[in-house]
Amino acid sequence: AQSVSQHNHHVILSEAASLELGCNYSYGGTVNLFWYVQYPGQHLQLLLKYFSGDPLVKGIKGFEAEFIKSKFSFNLRKPSVQWSDTAEYFCACSSGNTGKLIFGQGTTLQVKP
Amino acid sequence: GAGVSQTPSNKVTEKGKYVELRCDPISGHTALYWYRQSLGQGPEFLIYFQGTGAADDSGLPNDRFFAVRPEGSVSTLKIQRTERGDSAVYLCASSPILAGVGDEQFFGPGTRLTVL
Repeated sequence: AQSVSQHNHHVILSEAASLELGCNYSYGGTVNLFWYVQYPGQHLQLLLKYFSGDPLVKGIKGFEAEFIKSKFSFNLRKPSVQWSDTAEYFCACSSGNTGKLIFGQGTTLQVKP
Repeated sequence: GAGVSQTPSNKVTEKGKYVELRCDPISGHTALYWYRQSLGQGPEFLIYFQGTGAADDSGLPNDRFFAVRPEGSVSTLKIQRTERGDSAVYLCASSPILAGVGDEQFFGPGTRLTVL
């Protein structure tokens, strides 16, 4: 069965620090990979997604993620975080023909001003 | 435009009662998903509709849970004989195209269900 694991459960950074959130998935076939974000009081929204092609994917708000097939990883990065990036971040994958998402347990990011 | 809406936003019920949770997807979206999110966890898949039919209900935890989408738009998640362990945020998402594979899913705000 597919699964997604996020290594960091709670991350605290100061503004302008660099961010990297780890995500690993377990599935032997072709997968689609996503990062979703949930800002305080808001609903889940898509940050970026990978289907195929260039393994370095750029998303909204300066976020990017790199798909490394040999490591089954899809880590999220941002060179310089802002206070407004404080949120919960979820990595997810899908496969097959239903598009159902398998989520990791999430990482809470707190950015100190 | 209007996003995915869910009602009620909060529902408090007693153990053993029946509840219905409603989802209005984005107009024209054919794929609709229900997820459940417990505290400190990521969302867990429950059921997927393509049009009116449940194409994948493998995530429903047991036969107390049932969902319908009779006209291919609004969906209702129904939980019978609720238990305290059913307490969670129930999320609905919709997606525009037929297969749904690789598409962005647009999430609603969720219904927070509390079973006392």
